[in-house]
Amino acid sequence: KNEVEQSPQNLTAQEGEFITINCSYSVGISALHWLQQHPGGGIVSLFMLSSGKKKHGRLIATINIQEKHSSLHITASHPRDSAVYICAAANYGGSQGNLIFGKGTKLSVKP
Amino acid sequence: ETGVTQTPRHLVMGMTNKKSLKCEQHLGHNAMYWYKQSAKKPLELMFVYNFKEQTENNSVPSRFSPECPNSSHLFLHLHTLQPEDSALYLCASSQQRGQGDNEQFFGPGTRLTVL
Repeated sequence: KNEVEQSPQNLTAQEGEFITINCSYSVGISALHWLQQHPGGGIVSLFMLSSGKKKHGRLIATINIQEKHSSLHITASHPRDSAVYICAAANYGGSQGNLIFGKGTKLSVKP
Repeated sequence: ETGVTQTPRHLVMGMTNKKSLKCEQHLGHNAMYWYKQSAKKPLELMFVYNFKEQTENNSVPSRFSPECPNSSHLFLHLHTLQPEDSALYLCASSQQRGQGDNEQFFGPGTRLTVL
């Protein structure tokens, strides 16, 4: 079992729909990252959070430290949101600062 | 140039070739990372450099050899690779290692195919 699990693996939505991607982790963390990877391969950091909730435009990220769970929400989804969304836990112990990655959620938004 | 750049973007090599991947960051960061991304698998950390010193080698085979001449440049030297080494190789940088809440900035990656 991976230390960082994401669900779903694949997600297809219609333009305008509200989208939720989930991430559960089993390690102690100092921060939780959400990343976006477009088909070309480049990765962009969307959020880094250690508690509560953050919002940037149509994207919202939440984290529940007690339940070791985070969600990424996209409101009013658009085809340009189509990408792979990756959750990564910044490991608190062991190799401090290293990120443990989930396998990613491939999102496809249809017009 | 801004951010993190990687060259080449695509590389095809035979198993007996020697090649190098280059990464450059223009962010003034002190930590640099090499990651491997294979199909259907999570990103795997390969190497970490902090202030030009290698601080982590994540059990990577010796056919991959990193080099960090200064805080802005990172190389990955490749020799006698295997077909299973075909993957996307991503470079990243952060302000410094050792702080789990450091945001990492990624390059566009080099798509490597080993024939």
